[in-house]
Amino acid sequence: SQQGEEDPQALSIQEGENATMNCSYKTSINNLQWYRQNSGRGLVHLILIRSNEREKHSGRLRVTLDTSKKSSSLLITASRAADTASYFCATDGTSGTYKYIFGTGTRLKVLA
Amino acid sequence: NAGVMQNPRHLVRRRGQEARLRCSPMKGHSHVYWYRQLPEEGLKFMVYLQKENIIDESGMPKERFSAEFPKEGPSILRIQQVVRGDSAAYFCASSPVAGTTYEQYFGPGTRLTVT
Repeated sequence: SQQGEEDPQALSIQEGENATMNCSYKTSINNLQWYRQNSGRGLVHLILIRSNEREKHSGRLRVTLDTSKKSSSLLITASRAADTASYFCATDGTSGTYKYIFGTGTRLKVLA
Repeated sequence: NAGVMQNPRHLVRRRGQEARLRCSPMKGHSHVYWYRQLPEEGLKFMVYLQKENIIDESGMPKERFSAEFPKEGPSILRIQQVVRGDSAAYFCASSPVAGTTYEQYFGPGTRLTVT
C-alpha cells in the first residue's frame, strides 16, 4: 500500500450524520494535510496538522493525528449534501521535503 | 489575490500531438509543483520548480515530458507525442516558500484527453 492511504474508499451517509475518514501512512512526517475535491474540480485545502499536534478543529471539521500509529482521521460533523466530495490526505513523507504524497481518497456521499 | 491559475481547463489531443499545460502561481509564490491524477486515484507528484530551475523531477516520466518555469511567464508542462495513457488531470500547486511547512495552493487543473 502507498503512503497516505484512506479508509474507507467510499462512504455514504444521511444528511446530519457524522462522517469519519481515516488515513494511514508509512514513514515519519512533518505535516499532514486534508483536501477536498468535488467531482471534476480542483483541490480545496481543509486543514494542515503538524506532527507535534494531536488535534485540530475548523468549523465542522475535526482532525486528529496519532504519530505512534501513523494515522490521522477527519471527522465531519452534521454533514450536508454539499459535503459530497472525495477527501484526500497528503503527507510529506520525510523530514524537510516539499512533495506531498496523496492517498487514493475517500469518496463521501451525503444523502439529503 | 488571484489563486493559482491553469489553462486550458480542458485539452483534447490526438495521439502523437503535443500538449502544453500552463500554470500561473499565486502572486508572490516562486515555488511550483506539478501533480498528475489518473481517474479514481490520488495525485502523484511529478516535478518541483523554482524560477528558472528544476529542483526535483523524480516523478516525471523519463521520456516525452518536460517542465519549465521561466523568469517571466507561467510554468509550462509539456508532453510530446501524447499517448492514451497520458489522459489525466494535471494539477499545479504553488507555495511562497519551499518545504511542506506551508500549504500548497492548488489550481483547478487541466483535464487532458488523448483520443
